[in-house]
Amino acid sequence: AQTVTQSQPEMSVQEAETVTLSCTYDTSESDYYLFWYKQPPSRQMILVIRQEAYKQQNATENRFSVNFQKAAKSFSLKISDSQLGDAAMYFCAYRSGNQFYFGTGTSLTVIP
Amino acid sequence: KAGVTQTPRYLIKTRGQQVTLSCSPISGHRSVSWYQQTPGQGLQFLFEYFSETQRNKGNFPGRFSGRQFSNSRSEMNVSTLELGDSALYLCASSTRTSGRDTQYFGPGTRLTVL
Repeated sequence: AQTVTQSQPEMSVQEAETVTLSCTYDTSESDYYLFWYKQPPSRQMILVIRQEAYKQQNATENRFSVNFQKAAKSFSLKISDSQLGDAAMYFCAYRSGNQFYFGTGTSLTVIP
Repeated sequence: KAGVTQTPRYLIKTRGQQVTLSCSPISGHRSVSWYQQTPGQGLQFLFEYFSETQRNKGNFPGRFSGRQFSNSRSEMNVSTLELGDSALYLCASSTRTSGRDTQYFGPGTRLTVL
């Protein structure tokens, strides 16, 4: 069965510093997609970054980048130059075919 | 373009009742997915519709059902409500069902079952 594990329920980072959120997943598929979603308090969930499993190059989106280790089934999110607006719940997600699995989330606090 | 809209935003029901939630996807999007979000279980996939057909279903009892209309709007129905059904129900739309397409989430409907 496919599962997504986020082992850090809560994380904190000083403003302007860098933080890494961990995610591991379990799958027997070779073709899949991985995502990081951000859900600010009382606001809509938005996509932060996406990684195709067949691509070896790590995805980047401005201050957000991933470390995708396919063999280790690891997909961590690095946030550089953290801003107050980055405070949110972050969900790691896996999709293969029509199945979509989410981790339990990591609550990120940004300290001014 | 207008984003994904969900109605109602808040709902209070009692055990045994049934409820219907509505989701209007972004214009042009033909895929609609539903998720249940609870503090204990996190986000769980309910089902996905594409062009009025259910493409896949998560591991939920038959009390949870849905449908999609020709205009891509989707409804989710929960019958015989239980206390454990209290959750935030999220709807997301995308152009297709492929993982290549970004899913855009709505604000959710918060259902409270008393």
